[in-house]
Amino acid sequence: GAVVSQHPSRVICKSGTSVKIECRSLDFQATTMFWYRQFPKQSLMLMATSNEGSKATYEQGVEKDKFLINHASLTLSTLTVTSAHPEDSSFYICSARDDGGYGYTFGSGTRLTVV
Amino acid sequence: GQNIDQPTEMTATEGAIVQINCTYQTSGFNGLFWYQQHAGEAPTFLSYNVLDGLEEKGRFSSFLSRSKGYSYLLLKELQMKDSASYLCAAANQAGTALIFGKGTTLSVSS
Repeated sequence: GAVVSQHPSRVICKSGTSVKIECRSLDFQATTMFWYRQFPKQSLMLMATSNEGSKATYEQGVEKDKFLINHASLTLSTLTVTSAHPEDSSFYICSARDDGGYGYTFGSGTRLTVV
Repeated sequence: GQNIDQPTEMTATEGAIVQINCTYQTSGFNGLFWYQQHAGEAPTFLSYNVLDGLEEKGRFSSFLSRSKGYSYLLLKELQMKDSASYLCAAANQAGTALIFGKGTTLSVSS
């Protein structure tokens, strides 16, 4: 079945630094990938839609200069949290849709803690 | 606007049957998904409905009524390991992001 690999699974960084999270589709091509954020005991909130070869589409209220998304190939999207602050601490999850199917496969998530 | 509603919490006992309801309002419709999520982990796919009716897959079944904007997930022969959050999600259009409900936390006791 479709597999999405997300790294790192956990990261702790100092306030003011940047963190890059990678999302790879291992056995299928994904023109579009999605980035979600989930706070404790809450549901997944869509942050942005990552489009291969073009600019990402951000949801209202999400700062595009703070959450940089790059989708340079059909199998890789990256999310960089720039100048991280403690309030950015959250669970970040990527999702990819198989261009040849209907399913949405999720990565294993990244637990970001900013200290 | 777009909205997905599901109960916040449910409890049940081992061996029982539980039904988790979900109502949705979206500008378009390209399918209704159910995911299971354990704490600290990513969601795992359970079911997908795009046409009206019941889809059965082992102990789990999912139902959809497009005219009513309604779906349910039915879990039979509950096991302790079924304790998790169950997320209802809708696709607006083909290829767009899933819109998630707040999730239903199911607690299964012995």
